[in-house]
Amino acid sequence: AQKITQTQPGMFVQEKEAVTLDCTYDTSDPSYGLFWYKQPSSGEMIFLIYQGSYDQQNATEGRYSLNFQKARKSANLVISASQLGDSAMYFCACFSGGYQKVTFGTGTKLQVIP
Amino acid sequence: DVKVTQSSRYLVKRTGEKVFLECVQDMDHENMFWYRQDPGLGLRLIYFSYDVKMKEKGDIPEGYSVSREKKERFSLILESASTNQTSMYLCASSSQRTGNGYTFGSGTRLTVV
Repeated sequence: AQKITQTQPGMFVQEKEAVTLDCTYDTSDPSYGLFWYKQPSSGEMIFLIYQGSYDQQNATEGRYSLNFQKARKSANLVISASQLGDSAMYFCACFSGGYQKVTFGTGTKLQVIP
Repeated sequence: DVKVTQSSRYLVKRTGEKVFLECVQDMDHENMFWYRQDPGLGLRLIYFSYDVKMKEKGDIPEGYSVSREKKERFSLILESASTNQTSMYLCASSSQRTGNGYTFGSGTRLTVV
């Protein structure tokens, strides 16, 4: 079984500043994948970024980067130059094993302040 | 451009009713999933399916069943709805070939009164 821990239920960040959302994971599988999803108030889940357990470099997608520290089992999301539209819930997730069953964390609510 | 469609955005049902939540995807994905989302609990997996007529229990299957008669359609069934099943229900699909994440539907907010 896998477990995702997001210890920050809510966070504030000033517009144009960078912010880090924490995520730790626990899985016994040697091969796994890590995701971050964004959920605005409208409710849809938006895929942001993916990191494979064997990827040597940290994943980046535009203003999003994933700080992958395998030994610490952490997969923090870094958002650079925050925008008002970044205000949303953010979920960290992990899949391993067959059928791509994904386990989600409890989420972090990010609010960007003008 | 919609790829995963959930039939209802909002639904209100009475206690004891049989409720069907429908999900259809047009991406030829093998895997389909049903989650429920509750504040402070994140998303919890109810059931998933990796092929037609195949189903597997997730973490919280009690009170639910599923049906997958066609590859593109995955139905969640609440046999006898109860108030503690009031929640947001999210359907997702993924490809066994690419294996790099889910595509989600827009969700169904179910209220059981």
